[in-house]
Amino acid sequence: DVKVTQSSRYLVKRTGEKVFLECVQDMDHENMFWYRQDPGLGLRLIYFSYDVKMKEKGDIPEGYSVSREKKERFSLILESASTNQTSMYLCASSYEGGLRSPLHFGNGTRLTVT
Amino acid sequence: AQSVTQLDSHVSVSEGTPVLLRCNYSSSYSPSLFWYVQHPNKGLQLLLKYTSAATLVKGINGFEAEFKKSETSFHLTKPSAHMSDAAEYFCVVSGSNTNAGKSTFGDGTTLTVKP
Repeated sequence: DVKVTQSSRYLVKRTGEKVFLECVQDMDHENMFWYRQDPGLGLRLIYFSYDVKMKEKGDIPEGYSVSREKKERFSLILESASTNQTSMYLCASSYEGGLRSPLHFGNGTRLTVT
Repeated sequence: AQSVTQLDSHVSVSEGTPVLLRCNYSSSYSPSLFWYVQHPNKGLQLLLKYTSAATLVKGINGFEAEFKKSETSFHLTKPSAHMSDAAEYFCVVSGSNTNAGKSTFGDGTTLTVKP
């Protein structure tokens, strides 16, 4: 079974801090994704990557950056956290197969910025 | 362009009765369609997927869905609800022709199961 592991379940950070959210998958998947989930807004794609060192902006990339130095690891970086980035962050991966590949999700990181 | 509409934000059923969660989609390409379930404070788990093979798709935990191209629908059903089915359900369409296949999520349907 695919396992997608997010390093923290809960995080509390202060405004202006640099925040790293880490995600690791163990199935050699090419594609990795970061979403945020907010009540009433659903899941929104922040960034995705289809290969090491490759990244593509999703629908809401502002205020975020990502890093993919190794195939199994995809990091989301909040350069200067703000209160409007308080959210549930979900990492997902899928194998190379384009639109037919299902997403495999981690359990999420609930980030609170105070 | 692609979009997905989950027609009900909340569905409430009694334990042992059938479940119907409705989903309509639009896509410029021949789509793949998925249903995911999310239990509280958990990530999303794949229930089932349609990828242009059989139009009736069976998934985990007794769920199934039927792809109806003429109606652009992909409704999720289960003959008999169980208390453990209470969760949020997401219909997802993936119809892009790009390699990473961006997915579009519906807004979710919260399923409540009454004893």
